Amino acid sequence: AQKVTQAQTEISVVEKEDVTLDCVYETRDTTYYLFWYKQPPSGELVFLIRRNSFDEQNEISGRYSWNFQKSTSSFNFTITASQVVDSAVYFCALSDLTNTGTASKLTFGTGTRLQVTL
Amino acid sequence: NAGVTQTPKFRVLKTGQSMTLLCAQDMNHEYMYWYRQDPGMGLRLIHYSVGEGTTAKGEVPDGYNVSRLKKQNFLLGLESAAPSQTSVYFCASSFVLRDRSSYEQYFGPGTRLTVT
Repeated sequence: AQKVTQAQTEISVVEKEDVTLDCVYETRDTTYYLFWYKQPPSGELVFLIRRNSFDEQNEISGRYSWNFQKSTSSFNFTITASQVVDSAVYFCALSDLTNTGTASKLTFGTGTRLQVTL
Repeated sequence: NAGVTQTPKFRVLKTGQSMTLLCAQDMNHEYMYWYRQDPGMGLRLIHYSVGEGTTAKGEVPDGYNVSRLKKQNFLLGLESAAPSQTSVYFCASSFVLRDRSSYEQYFGPGTRLTVT
């Protein structure tokens, strides 16, 4: 069975601090996808990144960066120089390819609430 | 493009009442999904569909039914609502890749349902 663990329930930082959100996953599949979604206070879910299990290169997008380490089954997300607008709940998710021909279902972590204050 | 839309945005039901949530997408996606989000539990998959006329159970299907009569619409029904179904419901859709896996899921704005 697949599992995604986001051990940090809530994190508070002061603006301009760097912050890392942890994500640890479990799967028996050799091919899978990992995702991060952002849920701001308005409630919608915003896709941030998709990474497949064969691509361990770190990714940077502006102030956001992701560190994928297969050896530790982790896919951590770092926000550099955080801003108040980064305040949201962030979800890590895992998608399998167990059943060819069926939809890849997302297994979500429980989310990390990030609060950025002035 | 409107993306993924959900109707209604809010609803209050009494125990035992029935209702249908409508999800529509204009991106010609093959796959569609219904999730529920409860505090401290992330999102959990209720039902999903890999194409028009097909549906399948997810992680928490009990008490819900779904139908996909048209590719762009995915309906979630509650036949006899219970307080345990108080939740925020999200619909999502995604492309299909060549290996039949799906790309990232695009989510609707959510429906907040309260059952009293």
